[in-house]
Amino acid sequence: QVQLVESGGGVVQSGRSLRLSCRASGLTFSRYGMHWVRLAPGQGPEWVTSISFDGINKYYNDSVKGRFTISRDNSRNTLYLQMNSLRAEDTAVYFCAKSHTVTTHDYFDLWGQGTLVTVSS
Amino acid sequence: QSVLTQPPSASGTPGQRVTISCSGRNSNIGTNTISWYQHVPGTAPKLLSHTDNQRPSGVPDRFSGSKSATSASLAISGLQPEDEGDYYCAAWDDSLNGWVFGGGTKLTVL
Repeated sequence: QVQLVESGGGVVQSGRSLRLSCRASGLTFSRYGMHWVRLAPGQGPEWVTSISFDGINKYYNDSVKGRFTISRDNSRNTLYLQMNSLRAEDTAVYFCAKSHTVTTHDYFDLWGQGTLVTVSS
Repeated sequence: QSVLTQPPSASGTPGQRVTISCSGRNSNIGTNTISWYQHVPGTAPKLLSHTDNQRPSGVPDRFSGSKSATSASLAISGLQPEDEGDYYCAAWDDSLNGWVFGGGTKLTVL
């Protein structure tokens, strides 16, 4: 079954760190660009970051630049999001999503169910 | 506030046709292709339309995307109860060098 499964969410204090994981199954993970997108309560989705199929090219939303780091381990079919210096406004459900191709400029053709991150002050 | 503009809500009765709009700028919709997603809270979002008007395999032909200049639309014909959910448009933005989304349209089937 082709799927993405996120994990690692939870409640964390403001200023602390958290690492999210997204495990892919049923597909050749190393062939696709990957993304993190978040959905805060009452708001539209916000793109967070993207990484190319080989991990070389990375793109970040200005709202997380310098605090979040995207990475991937193609041998483990897993995408990561290291989140440091968390703020209350980072509270959201975080989804990983797969690009249709190797590039990160293509549409998202598969999403996970998301993992909730709550940052408490 | 989202970069792409969508109406916050839409509704229709079973069998009706509903259209959801998405407005942007030259740097996003005007230059790059648009995609549409359906999200039922608690589940994984689902791709409904990509590359402006292409429908993925498995998506009913009741769903159709279109684009003109800096605006796009998703039309849903033959509305069904299971179509209820949140609908989002998305595009790459050359000025922001990142993806931008619409604020979402909550579709209610009356």
